[in-house]
Amino acid sequence: GESVGLHLPTLSVQEGDNSIINCAYSNSASDYFIWYKQESGKGPQFIIDIRSNMDKRQGQRVTVLLNKTVKHLSLQIAATQPGDSAVYFCAEHLAGNNRKLIWGLGTSLGVNP
Amino acid sequence: NAGVTQTPKFQVLKTGQSMTLQCAQDMNHEYMSWYRQDPGMGLRLIHYSVGAGITDQGEVPNGYNVSRSTTEDFPLRLLSAAPSQTSVYFCASSYGGRDTQYFGPGTRLTVL
Repeated sequence: GESVGLHLPTLSVQEGDNSIINCAYSNSASDYFIWYKQESGKGPQFIIDIRSNMDKRQGQRVTVLLNKTVKHLSLQIAATQPGDSAVYFCAEHLAGNNRKLIWGLGTSLGVNP
Repeated sequence: NAGVTQTPKFQVLKTGQSMTLQCAQDMNHEYMSWYRQDPGMGLRLIHYSVGAGITDQGEVPNGYNVSRSTTEDFPLRLLSAAPSQTSVYFCASSYGGRDTQYFGPGTRLTVL
């Protein structure tokens, strides 16, 4: 399943399928991007990050892709599990600004058993 | 390590009341910040601190004060609560501003 972030804030997938969560970031001067996962009733939790000099970075079951040409970021989750149900946020750091993290509005991922 | 702790978990205030949301971390992080989270608006930065004795405003600082007298603690004060301050408040800490932020469990505040 695939979302387009702000336009489709809810994504529903079948357990075992791959999920793709998209994020359109706002500033071409951003040089560092982070994905966070927020489960219901909890604070956000770091998943994976990527710097602007990279196109792709892989973690455990997650891959982040960065397309600077169109200012687009995606998070791919392989073999989605019920425990992946959460709201996913992308965030960007502006180059030269060590203090401000710009957060996206989030995409809610639901996993159907 | 307890990580980032926040108290209280829930709070109900009347308009005009004041209160302090507590935040503490035991990871020796220099950078701490406060966010509010409202439906459909993501996380918005209220105030942040890059070290003991240093604080600065985020994007929505009005109605809130902070201080950082120790590395561990970063309390957020509501001077005169307003219904517009009804929200979930998160405290976060990191080694530096560009490092992974660790979030507390949040405080759900309702102002009547």
